Amino acid sequence: GDSVTQMEGPVTLSEEAFLTINCTYTATGYPSLFWYVQYPGEGLQLLLKATKADDKGSNKGFEATYRKETTSFHLEKGSVQVSDSAVYFCALSAGTYKYIFGTGTRLKVLA
Amino acid sequence: GAGVSQSPRYKVAKRGQDVALRCDPISGHVSLFWYQQALGQGPEFLTYFQNEAQLDKSGLPSDRFFAERPEGSVSTLKIQRTQQEDSAVYLCASSVRGNEQFFGPGTRLTVL
Repeated sequence: GDSVTQMEGPVTLSEEAFLTINCTYTATGYPSLFWYVQYPGEGLQLLLKATKADDKGSNKGFEATYRKETTSFHLEKGSVQVSDSAVYFCALSAGTYKYIFGTGTRLKVLA
Repeated sequence: GAGVSQSPRYKVAKRGQDVALRCDPISGHVSLFWYQQALGQGPEFLTYFQNEAQLDKSGLPSDRFFAERPEGSVSTLKIQRTQQEDSAVYLCASSVRGNEQFFGPGTRLTVL
């Protein structure tokens, strides 16, 4: 079945460091891919998305490129801030209404 | 409203009690979803409504779980005879048909 695998956390970085959170997927067909962010005490917020191969989603300095050949959708940011501390979820939607989520990666950014 | 709202935000139940969790979707959103998020895990699909019709309940873990959306707007997720393994955050999401899902803040259920 469809699945999403994320790198385990927590990831601890200093402010202004480069961030990569790896995400790979398994799906039949051509899924849409998403990154959601969950701040403490809040619901999931869509961070960015890509709907077809080679698309790049971007928002708030975060980027991810849909790589069909490596079935990956890694999240990157060039310079993280303390306010980026949160849990990040990679997810896919493979032609249906269901979203399949990874287990989440907790990011902690230190001042 | 401005976003998806859920109530209560926190619920503590004794094992064996029934609970009801409410979701108010974004006005005009046809589709409504329930997810269960166990501690340290990603959300897992429970059930899906399109208007008042429950089109998919394949993710409901047992017949103790029941969801309804009688007027195609507010939805209630009911759990009967709660068990400790039901402890989780229950997330509701809504969307315009087939598009991006918007999530509520969740209800954290703790079963003692």
